[in-house]
Amino acid sequence: GENVEQHPSTLSVQEGDSAVIKCTYSDSASNYFPWYKQELGKGPQLIIDIRSNVGEKKDQRIAVTLNKTAKHFSLHITETQPEDSAVYFCAASTNGNQFYFGTGTSLTVIP
Amino acid sequence: DGGITQSPKYLFRKEGQNVTLSCEQNLNHDAMYWYRQDPGQGLRLIYYSQIVNDFQKGDIAEGYSVSREKKESFPLTVTSAQKNPTAFYLCASSKVGYGTQYFGPGTRLLVL
Repeated sequence: GENVEQHPSTLSVQEGDSAVIKCTYSDSASNYFPWYKQELGKGPQLIIDIRSNVGEKKDQRIAVTLNKTAKHFSLHITETQPEDSAVYFCAASTNGNQFYFGTGTSLTVIP
Repeated sequence: DGGITQSPKYLFRKEGQNVTLSCEQNLNHDAMYWYRQDPGQGLRLIYYSQIVNDFQKGDIAEGYSVSREKKESFPLTVTSAQKNPTAFYLCASSKVGYGTQYFGPGTRLLVL
């Protein structure tokens, strides 16, 4: 089955700096890659996603890049704010129904 | 107010006891999912259902059972066969086929 690895497991940045979280996947058939943000004690919330026919997608301060050849995708958060502090998960899917998640990155934005 | 709800927020299980976690959605989604989340690990799929009266096992289905009698509801039973049930359980729903998954607030299961 699919194996998704995520790095780093923890990340601290100064407010206003950028944060980058990286994921790799093993199944070349994976074609959908969502990113989720999970705040303490809550369920994850989708923040951005990308399909395999697109190399990059942006939504305000958040962007995701995908390199199908290398089988890795990354989340970029620019101009970080304290409210960006949370756990971020990447995921991969071959059919849009069964998802394989990374182990999460705990992001702390220091004011 | 549309969304997905889970109850209870906390649940305690005694040895040898079956417990049932509730998940309800009013988003008119056909697909529903159950995930288990352990500290330092990603979400792992227990079961999922794409249509009423049908469901498929995920990667860690052993010791769990589900039913899908109504489109809105997808309860999960943690049976006594699940030897390590302590975890945070998340329910999600989506449209079938690359739909955004919407997660509930979760149920934390603890063993007494």
